[in-house]
Amino acid sequence: AQSVTQLGSHVSVSEGALVLLRCNYSSSVPPYLFWYVQYPNQGLQLLLKYTSAATLVKGINGFEAEFKKSETSFHLTKPSAHMSDAAEYFCAVTSNTGKLIFGQGTTLQVKP
Amino acid sequence: NAGVTQTPKFRVLKTGQSMTLLCAQDMNHEYMYWYRQDPGMGLRLIHYSVGEGTTAKGEVPDGYNVSRLKKQNFLLGLESAAPSQTSVYFCASSTPFSWRGGMLDTQYFGPGTRLTVL
Repeated sequence: AQSVTQLGSHVSVSEGALVLLRCNYSSSVPPYLFWYVQYPNQGLQLLLKYTSAATLVKGINGFEAEFKKSETSFHLTKPSAHMSDAAEYFCAVTSNTGKLIFGQGTTLQVKP
Repeated sequence: NAGVTQTPKFRVLKTGQSMTLLCAQDMNHEYMYWYRQDPGMGLRLIHYSVGEGTTAKGEVPDGYNVSRLKKQNFLLGLESAAPSQTSVYFCASSTPFSWRGGMLDTQYFGPGTRLTVL
């Protein structure tokens, strides 16, 4: 069965600092992995996705994630945080029937 | 092109009342989904549909029913609301899933419906 664990329900960084949001997955099939962002009072928006092409995936708004099979990880990073990055971030993995399995979410706070 | 829309945005119900949430998409997607979002639990799949006239149970289907009479619409019903159904409900749609050739499309989400059951 597939599952996703996001380490840290809340992450706080200063504006301009590195953003690192952690995601580990478990999958019995080659995984397809996603990061979604949810701004306050809005739906989820796709940041980036890994579908077995390149292990380093670049997304919108300067975010990127690296697929590491040996570590079963798909951590999300951004070199320099902006105030507008404050949101909730969800990592997700596809199940073997194509449905998405979501992590618990990580709330990113950006301090001025 | 509105994408995925949900009606209503907010609703307060009393225990035992019924209601229907409407999801509409204008992207001609085959697949549609209903999720609920609760603090610390991420999104959990309630029901989904792989085409007009079809529905299937997800992870947490109890207490909900769905219908997909038209391709563009996916309805979520609560026959007898309970406080445990207080949540934010999201609808999503996508093209058909396929492992072949790595073709996997994105799920597009609606803005959500915030439901409170007293």
